[in-house]
Amino acid sequence: GQNIDQPTEMTATEGAIVQINCTYQTSGFNGLFWYQQHAGEAPTFLSYNVLDGLEEKGRFSSFLSRSKGYSYLLLKELQMKDSASYLCAVNSDYKLSFGAGTTVTVRA
Amino acid sequence: IAGITQAPTSQILAAGRRMTLRCTQDMRHNAMYWYRQDLGLGLRLIHYSNTAGTTGKGEVPDGYSVSRANTDDFPLTLASAVPSQTSVYFCASSLTGEGNQPQHFGDGTRLSIL
Repeated sequence: GQNIDQPTEMTATEGAIVQINCTYQTSGFNGLFWYQQHAGEAPTFLSYNVLDGLEEKGRFSSFLSRSKGYSYLLLKELQMKDSASYLCAVNSDYKLSFGAGTTVTVRA
Repeated sequence: IAGITQAPTSQILAAGRRMTLRCTQDMRHNAMYWYRQDLGLGLRLIHYSNTAGTTGKGEVPDGYSVSRANTDDFPLTLASAVPSQTSVYFCASSLTGEGNQPQHFGDGTRLSIL
């Protein structure tokens, strides 16, 4: 199996920036995904990284370092609707393995 | 609206009963997946199918079976339910099974085994 670690919980203030880290150990790495999941809802796709570097998409950015087995998701200009769980998922041997998720709470 | 549909939304089931969770997609995706999500453990892959007529085992396949008779449907069957199978089950699909495309998830089925 894969070993994927991310913090359990994070809290931040509206308008601030939060960085969610994800470390992984895997063989046959073929990309890393970030998903957002609001409570009681389905996960939805946020970003995909397969090469090293930063991918920016509006208020959300994702970074990957394959040599370090490390990724982060950066959420800027936090809004109340960003309160959700954020799932790091590693593609290995064409199957996704998910971390347990990081619950982000945005306070006014 | 194109997407992926799961049924039922929720179910309470007696242990030992047989249960089939339904999943249908209309996006003409080749690959489909079943996951279970448990508190503190994240999503775990049960079974997958890269194309109609083929299936494969994921991380936690025991006690579950699947079939893929056509592109659109991917039912998950619990032959004899046990309490440890109480979970939220998500069906997902992606354009191909190569792993470099995002998976689209259904709204989930909340299953309680008593």
